[in-house]
Amino acid sequence: DTAVSQTPKYLVTQMGNDKSIKCEQNLGHDTMYWYKQDSKKFLKIMFSYNNKELIINETVPNRFSPKSPDKAHLNLHINSLELGDSAVYFCASRPTTGAAGELFFGEGSRLTVL
Amino acid sequence: KNQVEQSPQSLIILEGKNCTLQCNYTVSPFSNLRWYKQDTGRGPVSLTIMTFSENTKSNGRYTATLDADTKQSSLHITASQLSDSASYICVVSETGNTPLVFGKGTRLSVIA
Repeated sequence: DTAVSQTPKYLVTQMGNDKSIKCEQNLGHDTMYWYKQDSKKFLKIMFSYNNKELIINETVPNRFSPKSPDKAHLNLHINSLELGDSAVYFCASRPTTGAAGELFFGEGSRLTVL
Repeated sequence: KNQVEQSPQSLIILEGKNCTLQCNYTVSPFSNLRWYKQDTGRGPVSLTIMTFSENTKSNGRYTATLDADTKQSSLHITASQLSDSASYICVVSETGNTPLVFGKGTRLSVIA
């Protein structure tokens, strides 16, 4: 049973399109995240949600809109895709917003914008 | 500004050899430090997590050390295997509800 699952794993699309990536966790965690990993392999936080509420938004363009229908799901919708959006997007979850909770990552969604 | 610096950026070693990866941080106030392993095409997986009071923690052939005074950590890999080839990421957490601070990782290649 996958703890944090993301779909799709691969996504290839044209510039200007709108796309979504879905994430679900079955760990019962309160907090979920989206991270972006660029070509240099650096992981940067984009958003954090706790119990469906946004708690961190790290200066991400407003073309990116996260949505959390319940605490087990955090989806990422991207409007008007640009070449620079090409990256691997990782969803992650954690049992608490406190510092000690272990962070579990999904397998990543590789987005390629042509 | 809170930062995590890792060295070396990349490393190639022969199978069976040992190696040590370094992590220096400026994060304050410090809560804990984690080492993650990320295989190519996969998500990061936790290896160890250490709090302020812990100065060493092992997970099989992986041993992490922490010196909270000098703000340094190391990850030692013993008797390396081909499957150890991956990126190793150091992640430091402040106290409270703040984003984790990620290092850029060390890319380890173990060759036969």
